[in-house]
Amino acid sequence: DGGITQSPKYLFRKEGQNVTLSCEQNLNHDAMYWYRQDPGQGLRLIYYSQIVNDFQKGDIAEGYSVSREKKESFPLTVTSAQKNPTAFYLCASSMGQGARGYTFGSGTRLTVV
Amino acid sequence: GQQVMQIPQYQHVQEGEDFTTYCNSSTTLSNIQWYKQRPGGHPVFLIQLVKSGEVKKQKRLTFQFGEAKKNSSLHITATQTTDVGTYFCAGAGGYQKVTFGTGTKLQVIP
Repeated sequence: DGGITQSPKYLFRKEGQNVTLSCEQNLNHDAMYWYRQDPGQGLRLIYYSQIVNDFQKGDIAEGYSVSREKKESFPLTVTSAQKNPTAFYLCASSMGQGARGYTFGSGTRLTVV
Repeated sequence: GQQVMQIPQYQHVQEGEDFTTYCNSSTTLSNIQWYKQRPGGHPVFLIQLVKSGEVKKQKRLTFQFGEAKKNSSLHITATQTTDVGTYFCAGAGGYQKVTFGTGTKLQVIP
């Protein structure tokens, strides 16, 4: 079955550490996205990529980095520069630019300890 | 920039009652999408509306896109406990940029 796989499901990070969240899709979608969701809040766009080897900052990119070396993969690194990284991170993909609906992964819950 | 607001933020209903959430955009949209996120889960795409004044139904769910393409609503008839979750709208504006609404969290009391 086609879909998006995010790993790990839960991640604990010590302050000052960088961590990388994995996102893989086999839907042959061109565009991929990273969103952050805080408790009781909506989705805020971190980064997005519409094509391999190209990506753009979203609304809250500071303290995060991404790469898009393969169409299927869009990993997100949460760096030590991100001051409040504890959140639920969602990866999504879409045909084109997302105007026909996004498919989301099951998410990674990151906690700073 | 484009902003999409939803009201109410929370709604508690008795099972069997109706429920409506409203979505308002600061700019005209090319289309609007609706998603449902179950507690502890991820958003799942429900539907997309494109035309001014469009109305679509999915069983007990009715989706409407405003005439000016700046607002939308989702109405659930006779809620069930399986309807529990947060409902998000997402509007596609200029350059097809999609902005998610703030969401409405629905609790259904059995």
